[in-house]
Amino acid sequence: EVQLVESGGVVVQPGGSLRLSCAASGFTFDDYTMHWVRQAPGKGLEWVSLISWDAGTTYYGDSVKGRFTISRDNSKNSLYLQMNSLRAEDTALYYCAKGGVLTVDPFDYWGQGTLVTVSS
Amino acid sequence: DIQLTQSPPFLSASVGDRVTITCRASQGISSYLAWYQQKPGKAPKLLIYAASTLQSGVPSRFSGSGSGTEFTLTIGSLQPEDFATYYCQQLNSYPCTFGQGTKLEIK
Repeated sequence: EVQLVESGGVVVQPGGSLRLSCAASGFTFDDYTMHWVRQAPGKGLEWVSLISWDAGTTYYGDSVKGRFTISRDNSKNSLYLQMNSLRAEDTALYYCAKGGVLTVDPFDYWGQGTLVTVSS
Repeated sequence: DIQLTQSPPFLSASVGDRVTITCRASQGISSYLAWYQQKPGKAPKLLIYAASTLQSGVPSRFSGSGSGTEFTLTIGSLQPEDFATYYCQQLNSYPCTFGQGTKLEIK
């Protein structure tokens, strides 16, 4: 059974930093592209970032480019999101999602999310 | 960036109704479109990918069609568990983008 479990969400002050983690199990982690997607309270889905199976390719949404960094450790079946220079508008539930072999593949499994609140 | 516009944003329907949700892309995305269902407090669930391919385990009352810039999600006969919010997503180019969502409510 595929499982994705996010952690690391807390309340942080504007300008602060945070690192989210996603522990994956139930599939061959290093075969697949992984993503972060966020959802602000009461709002829609916003894609945040992608990392290819070998970390050779990374993409970012315009709103986080230059502030967030995605990474993965295939030996630990783990995905990470380093978030710097946090803003109030980064407040959201952050989901880890499994992609496919290709970047055009959909997100077939999602975690339950970890809540990040940026507030003073 | 490619913009996706879903219509309608809200839809009120009854059990047994057939409903259709439309997703329009600001430029051509071939068939790289997926549909997700999200229920309150839950993660999104993949329903359809490649515009018309049903994800394993998804009931056959769900279907998708379209290519290029116009796509539809159809639910053939609404069941009580189908009342949720539906999102389209384009994967043709990055940043990948989601539509703003369609909330399907019970009439």
